[in-house]
Amino acid sequence: DADVTQTPRNRITKTGKRIMLECSQTKGHDRMYWYRQDPGLGLRLIYYSFDVKDINKGEISDGYSVSRQAQAKFSLSLESAIPNQTALYFCATSDNAGTGGYEQYFGPGTRLTVT
Amino acid sequence: QKEVEQDPGPLSVPEGAIVSLNCTYSNSAFQYFMWYRQYSRKGPELLMYTYSSGNKEDGRFTAQVDKSSKYISLFIRDSQPSDSATYLCAMKTGANNLFFGTGTRLTVIP
Repeated sequence: DADVTQTPRNRITKTGKRIMLECSQTKGHDRMYWYRQDPGLGLRLIYYSFDVKDINKGEISDGYSVSRQAQAKFSLSLESAIPNQTALYFCATSDNAGTGGYEQYFGPGTRLTVT
Repeated sequence: QKEVEQDPGPLSVPEGAIVSLNCTYSNSAFQYFMWYRQYSRKGPELLMYTYSSGNKEDGRFTAQVDKSSKYISLFIRDSQPSDSATYLCAMKTGANNLFFGTGTRLTVIP
C-alpha cells in the first residue's frame, strides 16, 4: 500500500460548493503539507502542519482551510470553490529529524476542476 | 522576482544524450538543494540532495551547486527513455519549508 494516500483522485465541482480533500499517511511523520501545482507556476505551498496542534499558512492560503485530525490525517477544504482553484493538489509528509525535512514524500495527487 | 527560477522547457533529447537541467535562485540563505523527479500522473519523488556548494554523483546523475553564482544544475549521462519526466529543483534554509522551481519537462526519445 502507498505510504501517502489522497482521496478523491479526481473531482469536478461547481463554483460555490464546499469541497474537502483528504490525506492519510502511514510513514509516521509529524510534518504534513498541502501544495497545489499549476502549469508554469510549479508547486506552491498552501498550508503545513508540524504536529497535530500546529497549523501554519503557506504562500497561498486564501480561500483554503485545513484540519489536522490526527498525526496521520490532514484535510484541505475549499469553503466556496472558484474556477481559479482548478489545479492538481498534492499532500506531502516529512520527518523532523536532522535538517528538518528536506525530503518530502508526496501523495499521488488530486485533480480538482471547478466549473 | 520568484525565489527560484527554472526553465520550464520542454526539453527533448535522443537516447544516450547528456542532459543539463538548471535553476537559479535569489535567496543567499538557501543551504539545502534538491532535485525531485515527477512522472506523469504521479507525485514528485526526491532524486538527489546536496548540502551547500559542491558536486554529488549518484550513478548517471550529478548534482552541482554553485552558491557564489546562485546556480544549481542536474546532469544526466547516457539518458534513457525511462528518464522522461518533469524535474523540479527545490531549496530550503535550515528551518523553513521547500521552495520549488516550476519544473522542466524532459522527453528522451528512443
